[in-house]
Amino acid sequence: GENVEQHPSTLSVQEGDSAVIKCTYSDSASNYFPWYKQELGKGPQLIIDIRSNVGEKKDQRIAVTLNKTAKHFSLHITETQPEDSAVYFCAASIGGGGADGLTFGKGTHLIIQP
Amino acid sequence: KAGVTQTPRYLIKTRGQQVTLSCSPISGHRSVSWYQQTPGQGLQFLFEYFSETQRNKGNFPGRFSGRQFSNSRSEMNVSTLELGDSALYLCASSFQGGAGETQYFGPGTRLLVL
Repeated sequence: GENVEQHPSTLSVQEGDSAVIKCTYSDSASNYFPWYKQELGKGPQLIIDIRSNVGEKKDQRIAVTLNKTAKHFSLHITETQPEDSAVYFCAASIGGGGADGLTFGKGTHLIIQP
Repeated sequence: KAGVTQTPRYLIKTRGQQVTLSCSPISGHRSVSWYQQTPGQGLQFLFEYFSETQRNKGNFPGRFSGRQFSNSRSEMNVSTLELGDSALYLCASSFQGGAGETQYFGPGTRLLVL
């Protein structure tokens, strides 16, 4: 089955700096890669996703890049703010929908230092 | 529009007991997925239901089961509880569970098995 590795497990950055979280996946058939943000006491919330026919996607301060050849994808957050502090999860799916299930990375605890 | 709701939010059981958790999807959503979240294993896919039918399941023992009702509400049941079943159980809903649809997670039910 699919295996998703996520690094780093903890990332501390100064407010205003950029943060980068990287994930690799094992199944070349995977074609949907969402990123979720989870705050304490809440369920994961989708922040951005990308499909295998796209190399990069951006939404304001957040961007995701995908390298299908190398089987890795990354989350980039620019101009970090205190409210960006949370645990971030990458995931991969073959079909891309709920019916196919998501395989998650182990998460990155992002800490924004004031 | 109300989000995904899960009840109860917290639960304490003892080994050998069984437990039933409930999930109400976002109005109009017919696909409901369940995930188990633990510090050691992270987020793992349990199963997905659509139109009262289980379409996919993850790698969990048969003690974990679920069902979906005609109004799309879903329940999951864990029988003969083990200490290792202590986890946050998350449910996610989407319109049909198809490709490209965002999955919305509920806040989860935290289960503690003593």
